[in-house]
Formats: sequence, structure tokens, C-alpha cells
Amino acid sequence: DVKVTQSSRYLVKRTGEKVFLECVQDMDHENMFWYRQDPGLGLRLIYFSYDVKMKEKGDIPEGYSVSREKKERFSLILESASTNQTSMYLCASSLGVPPETQYFGPGTRLLVL
Amino acid sequence: SQKIEQNSEALNIQEGKTATLTCNYTNYSPAYLQWYRQDPGRGPVFLLLIRENEKEKRKERLKVTFDTTLKQSLFHITASQPADSATYLCARGGSGAGSYQLTFGKGTKLSVIP
Repeated sequence: DVKVTQSSRYLVKRTGEKVFLECVQDMDHENMFWYRQDPGLGLRLIYFSYDVKMKEKGDIPEGYSVSREKKERFSLILESASTNQTSMYLCASSLGVPPETQYFGPGTRLLVL
Repeated sequence: SQKIEQNSEALNIQEGKTATLTCNYTNYSPAYLQWYRQDPGRGPVFLLLIRENEKEKRKERLKVTFDTTLKQSLFHITASQPADSATYLCARGGSGAGSYQLTFGKGTKLSVIP
């Protein structure tokens, strides 16, 4: 079974702090994704990566950056956390060939005070 | 842009009945549609995939259909149980070579009442 793990299940941070969310997958998947999920808005793609050191902006990249130094690890960085970044953050990975089924981590619920 | 719409935010159904969830898409038919289940506070879990040239796909009590004329997929759970209560997401693939993204619907929250 594919396993995608995220560094924290719950996180509380202060406005202005730099926040790192880590995601690791163990199935040698090419693609990795970061989403946020908010009530009524569904899953929204922040960034994705199709290869080491490669990244592409998703639908809502503002206020976020990412890093993929190793194939199995994809980090999401909030440069200066704001209260409107309070959300559930989900990481996913996919093999890299259609149909691109995605395997999700358990999520990190981030609260920015 | 390619959209996925799940028109019902919530669906309540009596235990033992068949639950039917709807997913509509715009523009061209995707090569495949996928269905995921999400429990509260958890990440989505892949359930089923149906390709454009398949009319119907089954897995145990689950059945998915793909109607390219109506631009619609239906997801059925037969003999529904309270344990089936969850949010179900529909997703379509992107377009063109090298497109890795999935576009997800907002989901339908299913409640199976004992």
C-alpha cells in the first residue's frame, strides 16, 4: 500500500511565523501535490511537483512556497503565516502516468492565531 | 476551464437503501473519472475509477456509471450502511500530455440513517 505521511496532524502558529509542513511518500511516486481544504470550497491546489526540484503553481499559490529536494519529500512553506491560512492542508502523490490516481496523507489542521 | 460539479452538498438515506450521488462535468469528456471517499478530519481515499469507454464499473456494493451524452457520472452504494456515511468526491483528469492534475468536485456528504 502507498503510504503518504505528513509531519503533524495539528499545528498552532502565530501570525507572521514561518511554517513548514512536510510530506513523505514511500512508493517512488513522481508527482506530489499540496492542497488546502476549507468548508464550502472543496480541495484547492496550492502547488504541485512532477520531478525533483520542479514545481508548478496551482490555483492558489499566493503566500506559499514549496521545496522538493528529494523524490519522496515535498515541503510546503508559509513564509509569513496569516489568519486566513488557517485550514486543513492535504498532501498527495501519484505515480506519474494516467489515470493519475492520487494517494493522500492524513492532513494537517493548521490554526494561525 | 474544466469543471466538476457535485450538485448535492448533502444526501440523507435510510439504511439498506441505494444511495445515488451525481457528478457532472463541463466541456469535453475526460479520459476517466475517479471517486474518492473522505471521512471527517482525514485525507480522501481512492475508491473507483471509470474510463470514458466504460459504461459501468462495479466493486462490491459500489457501482459507477459514465454517460458521455449527459456529461455525468453516477456513484451508487447498494444496501447502504451507517459505516458508508462520509463525503464522496468526484475527480476528473487534466487535459493534454503531461497534465498531472485532478480537478475535484466539492463533494457530497452522505449520511446513512439507521
